[in-house]
Amino acid sequence: SQQGEEDPQALSIQEGENATMNCSYKTSINNLQWYRQNSGRGLVHLILIRSNEREKHSGRLRVTLDTSKKSSSLLITASRAADTASYFCATDELFGGAQKLVFGQGTRLTINP
Amino acid sequence: KAGVTQTPRYLIKTRGQQVTLSCSPISGHRSVSWYQQTPGQGLQFLFEYFSETQRNKGNFPGRFSGRQFSNSRSEMNVSTLELGDSALYLCASSLGGIGTEAFFGQGTRLTVV
Repeated sequence: SQQGEEDPQALSIQEGENATMNCSYKTSINNLQWYRQNSGRGLVHLILIRSNEREKHSGRLRVTLDTSKKSSSLLITASRAADTASYFCATDELFGGAQKLVFGQGTRLTINP
Repeated sequence: KAGVTQTPRYLIKTRGQQVTLSCSPISGHRSVSWYQQTPGQGLQFLFEYFSETQRNKGNFPGRFSGRQFSNSRSEMNVSTLELGDSALYLCASSLGGIGTEAFFGQGTRLTVV
């Protein structure tokens, strides 16, 4: 498969704790994005980090990118029940001249009240 | 601003039939991409249309096709349906195409029996 890998596949934490998810990818990229999906519905864009950036913040979200290791992490601080969802990283990759958005397998995050 | 609209939301078809799914992008977005999501394969890129032209294509058989109209609305067609085509089909629109912030519709849940 050409998809990236996410770690862990599932994560369950208590409300108020921090959640960290990791993503690895396989080829050179222009940028990496994180999306959230609630219960098999559409995806919601969370944050985009460019290949020349190392860290980016948006509210309670912090994303890091290490292009030498082809990996990224998403940190959600002070988690809330509403953060329960699946989280996917996505990279724009070139395969045979065609550009694709390649998603990881996702991390299923459960926030327990 | 209206979001991305996909119709229908749910569909049940019989093996061998064909199906057409519709996607109306956010006004002003010229790029529309389609994705298939299954529990086994995750999110996979089908193709991208930009200004009525297919600009990028994933690794799906020719039974999967699409088109885009002058108003940027897009349709995806699957012919000779197979049981394995049962999936959530998502479309996303964006201003800049692959690798830029994408806005997803709620998806069409296709069940092939």
